[in-house]
Amino acid sequence: DAGVIQSPRHEVTEMGQEVTLRCKPISGHNSLFWYRQTMMRGLELLIYFNNNVPIDDSGMPEDRFSAKMPNASFSTLKIQPSEPRDSAVYFCASSLRPMEDEKLFFGSGTQLSVL
Amino acid sequence: AQSVTQLDSQVPVFEEAPVELRCNYSSSVSVYLFWYVQYPNQGLQLLLKYLSGSTLVKGINGFEAEFNKSQTSFHLRKPSVHISDTAEYFCAVSEGGSNYKLTFGKGTLLTVNP
Repeated sequence: DAGVIQSPRHEVTEMGQEVTLRCKPISGHNSLFWYRQTMMRGLELLIYFNNNVPIDDSGMPEDRFSAKMPNASFSTLKIQPSEPRDSAVYFCASSLRPMEDEKLFFGSGTQLSVL
Repeated sequence: AQSVTQLDSQVPVFEEAPVELRCNYSSSVSVYLFWYVQYPNQGLQLLLKYLSGSTLVKGINGFEAEFNKSQTSFHLRKPSVHISDTAEYFCAVSEGGSNYKLTFGKGTLLTVNP
């Protein structure tokens, strides 16, 4: 299996622009997570999907952030409009049975820089 | 609410030396504990986890961790490190009943020098 695939690996954009991050989870996994990693705050859970349905979005910073999972093999995280403080590494992770403590499989992340 | 404290942000050691990376947690209920490793430019990978049973947990790459409930700690150890162990290590906790919600520490950068 190719693992969790994220694109793009790097994104540089200007403040105010729309940014879309993409994730393809491991086939067969029914849970998907978006995390954000910064030096100041470490790793933060943004949103959790189970069977394509958002279960917990309490970590989404504000209305500028939105996430979708239209099917079991694809998810997007969108920031509109982007701001410099959104600069971070965004990770997508998937799992088979997180409620039974099956481990998370992480993608390689998207390094986002908002100028 | 649960929280995780990794007491050392950076730990430099020489090759073949032993290492201990410290992790303390706080939670009002029973917890599950994890250590993840992140190599440069990669995502996190699970090293080991404690769910129940024996308090000494063995993981991949020769790492082990010991759960100490009275001290609310879950320190990671390796008796002899290699250059290839250079990476960032994250301790994480989840509370029973909402296992999907992992709370991560801020990480410890382990640098192994020749």
